[in-house]
Amino acid sequence: DADVTQTPRNRITKTGKRIMLECSQTKGHDRMYWYRQDPGLGLRLIYYSFDVKDINKGEISDGYSVSRQAQAKFSLSLESAIPNQTALYFCATSAADQETQYFGPGTRLLVL
Amino acid sequence: QKEVEQNSGPLSVPEGAIASLNCTYSDRGSQSFFWYRQYSGKSPELIMSIYSNGDKEDGRFTAQLNKASQYVSLLIRDSQPSDSATYLCAPDGENQGGKLIFGQGTELSVKP
Repeated sequence: DADVTQTPRNRITKTGKRIMLECSQTKGHDRMYWYRQDPGLGLRLIYYSFDVKDINKGEISDGYSVSRQAQAKFSLSLESAIPNQTALYFCATSAADQETQYFGPGTRLLVL
Repeated sequence: QKEVEQNSGPLSVPEGAIASLNCTYSDRGSQSFFWYRQYSGKSPELIMSIYSNGDKEDGRFTAQLNKASQYVSLLIRDSQPSDSATYLCAPDGENQGGKLIFGQGTELSVKP
């Protein structure tokens, strides 16, 4: 079984809809991250959490919110989706004493 | 100036040749450096990490770090078509609180 899972893997939604992307991990890591990837722009950090009670904004948090429901679960919400949020979204995890990040399989989101 | 710069490519090399991927970074406080490989449509996976100036070899891969020049590179010897992917450079940052800063990636194409 995969250590980091994301659901759904693909999602099509309409402008203005609220959607949630979910991430779960079995690695026992304290730290979790949400990134988006757009062609030519690399990975950009949206939000990150270093433990259940710690939530921090990344470089592109506007229009997004997160919830850390448990050590193993970190959800990303788009409050009112817009077309320029169409992207590939990755969740990642890392141990508290290491910087190596492990990525989930990604969620491909299309906002019409 | 971008925090992490990589040539976006595509870099095309013949099978069996050496592929050289370069990365420069702006944060002089960066101590840890990571190379991730990402196949098209897949998630990034860690292939190399380097922490000290000099070379680090792992099989066909060699990472080179020069902190004075703020430069890190990845050499792939005996390149194979299966090495065709995008390679992401990710240094940490002194003021990044354990986060990584990803470059936009270099696309490598190895031609049979």
